[in-house]
Amino acid sequence: EAGVAQSPRYKIIEKRQSVAFWCNPISGHATLYWYQQILGQGPKLLIQFQNNGVVDDSQLPKDRFSAERLKGVDSTLKIQPAKLEDSAVYLCASSLDRGGNEQFFGPGTRLTVL
Amino acid sequence: QQQVKQSPQSLIVQKGGISIINCAYENTAFDYFPWYQQFPGKGPALLIAIRPDVSEKKEGRFTISFNKSAKQFSLHIMDSQPGDSATYFCAASSDTGFQKLVFGTGTRLLVSP
Repeated sequence: EAGVAQSPRYKIIEKRQSVAFWCNPISGHATLYWYQQILGQGPKLLIQFQNNGVVDDSQLPKDRFSAERLKGVDSTLKIQPAKLEDSAVYLCASSLDRGGNEQFFGPGTRLTVL
Repeated sequence: QQQVKQSPQSLIVQKGGISIINCAYENTAFDYFPWYQQFPGKGPALLIAIRPDVSEKKEGRFTISFNKSAKQFSLHIMDSQPGDSATYFCAASSDTGFQKLVFGTGTRLLVSP
């Protein structure tokens, strides 16, 4: 079974630039999550999708972050414009459904904002 | 109330020793308590999880102890090995709503040879 795929693995941008991250969840997983992990901290949920609908985006800074999950499969997370404090690892995870407790994480994208 | 407090921040254990990591929570609606293991450059991976209907769960060298009245749970790694050196996160979620996982701040474990 292939795991959660993410790209790119690393990204360095200047502040005020835009960036996008891509995630391909495990096949058949209905629920997809985006987390932000700042160095030395635990992952923090940004947004959760159930199929292609958003079920929780309470911690997503909506003035600069956006996410979509077209056709209920792949997802993209965008930051526009980026700030220095957005430097973090962005993790994508998926689970069978919202009742499936085990979340499978991808390797993450390490973003550095200069 | 949504926080999960984790300690210690870092831990050094000799090979063969016992590693113990503790977590505490406030939200009594939490009913699922997983532990995740994360190696550098990798995403977290589920190690072991427990629900409040049992006080202990063991899988190989890994044991979760759960104290519902104290709202605390801990991870014990028996016979710790250098390959266990990683960052460990406790987490909690509720089956009601959308099972949002709330993570602790992590414990960096180093097992010395």
